[in-house]
Amino acid sequence: DTGVSQDPRHKITKRGQNVTFRCDPISEHNRLYWYRQTLGQGPEFLTYFQNEAQLEKSRLLSDRFSAERPKGSFSTLEIQRTEQGDSAMYLCASSSRQGDNEKLFFGSGTQLSVL
Amino acid sequence: GEDVEQSLFLSVREGDSSVINCTYTDSSSTYLYWYKQEPGAGLQLLTYIFSNMDMKQDQRLTVLLNKKDKHLSLRIADTQTGDSAIYFCAELGGATNKLIFGTGTLLAVQP
Repeated sequence: DTGVSQDPRHKITKRGQNVTFRCDPISEHNRLYWYRQTLGQGPEFLTYFQNEAQLEKSRLLSDRFSAERPKGSFSTLEIQRTEQGDSAMYLCASSSRQGDNEKLFFGSGTQLSVL
Repeated sequence: GEDVEQSLFLSVREGDSSVINCTYTDSSSTYLYWYKQEPGAGLQLLTYIFSNMDMKQDQRLTVLLNKKDKHLSLRIADTQTGDSAIYFCAELGGATNKLIFGTGTLLAVQP
């Protein structure tokens, strides 16, 4: 296992189109996180799953965003009716919590550009 | 509320020590982390410290935690050009399961 993988690496789309990103976590990790990062900022939390259950969603996640993790393995993040403000790097991370320690391992991200 | 702040930029010469600082607001944070991000890449976990500790050393990295002042620092000894990157500190709040990240410090290492 080579770590967390995300697909695609880059996505360019026109405003109003729908896009979907995929994340494959480290296989033995039961938690999966989505973060968004814009230029010059740190990653901002969007949502996370424990197995297939979506346990928390940020208020940053508007109704146009939906995430799934149907079998508790890979996850998808869909953005409907994209807006220019959605342009960002979307990062996925997975973890296997050890006691209170939450060590996240990140993928390389999907860079979204909305024209 | 949760807020993590870092200085934006640090420039050092190769071979010198670098010290990157971070302040956080959540006094119930259980763990604090340092991540490194190189251009176009995701974040790489460097090290972490439990909130009951005040220091942790891992090879060239030393983490210092002042819990009273909610201040965290990362010292990199013998800084190399390969250490040039953005460094993020992050806190794991006591009542949350998510990491809150700072804005990042760009470390530039001059040869």
